[in-house]
Amino acid sequence: DTGVSQDPRHKITKRGQNVTFRCDPISEHNRLYWYRQTLGQGPEFLTYFQNEAQLEKSRLLSDRFSAERPKGSFSTLEIQRTEQGDSAMYLCASSLGNRGGRYNEQFFGPGTRLTVL
Amino acid sequence: AQRVTQPEKLLSVFKGAPVELKCNYSYSGSPELFWYVQYSRQRLQLLLRHISRESIKGFTADLNKGETSFHLKKPFAQEEDSAMYYCALSDYNFNKFYFGSGTKLNVKP
Repeated sequence: DTGVSQDPRHKITKRGQNVTFRCDPISEHNRLYWYRQTLGQGPEFLTYFQNEAQLEKSRLLSDRFSAERPKGSFSTLEIQRTEQGDSAMYLCASSLGNRGGRYNEQFFGPGTRLTVL
Repeated sequence: AQRVTQPEKLLSVFKGAPVELKCNYSYSGSPELFWYVQYSRQRLQLLLRHISRESIKGFTADLNKGETSFHLKKPFAQEEDSAMYYCALSDYNFNKFYFGSGTKLNVKP
C-alpha cells in the first residue's frame, strides 16, 4: 500500500461534459474526505464518508456534484455539466477517523487537476 | 462562521533567522487546530496539531484562545523548510476541516 491514490491525475474536459474521479484510500482507513483547491487558496472541504455513509456535505457541493463510496473502500466524485468555475485540484484524503476520541492523521492523495475549457 | 485566516501569502527569511507564520481563526466552539505543509512536488501532509503540544522539525505552535491564534514558530529557519504552510481547524469529531489560504515560506541561503 503506497498511500492514497487518485485517478486520473489530470483531466481536461469541455464545458457541459460529465467527469468522474476516483480515490483509493489507505486500505484500513474508514474515513475518506474530498476537497477542492483553487489557485492561491487552501483546500476547501466538500464531503466526507465514514465507511460507506456520507456524513457531511459542504454547501459548495452543488447538485451537479455527487460522491459515492459504495463498499466503504474506494470513492468516486462525479461532476455533471461541468462549468469553467469547476476547474481546480480535487484532493482526496483518508484517515482512521476518531476511534476512541483520538485524532488520526489525514493522509492526502496527489490530487486530480481538472481543467474545464 | 468558521474561518481560518493566514494574512501573509509569502514570507521570506534568511537561513538561521526566526520564523513566525501567522494564523487566526474564528469558530463557535472548541476547535482542533493543525498545521499542514506541502513541500515542492509533494503531497499535503500534517506537520503538527495543537493538542499534541510537540515540536516537529523544530516547529512549535501555541493555541491562544484569547487571541484566537495558532501561530507557527521556528527559532532558526533552514533552507529545507521552504514550502507552503496551511493552518487548519476542525470540529472535535474531525468531521469537517477548514483550511487557510496558505503562506509560502521561502528560506534564503
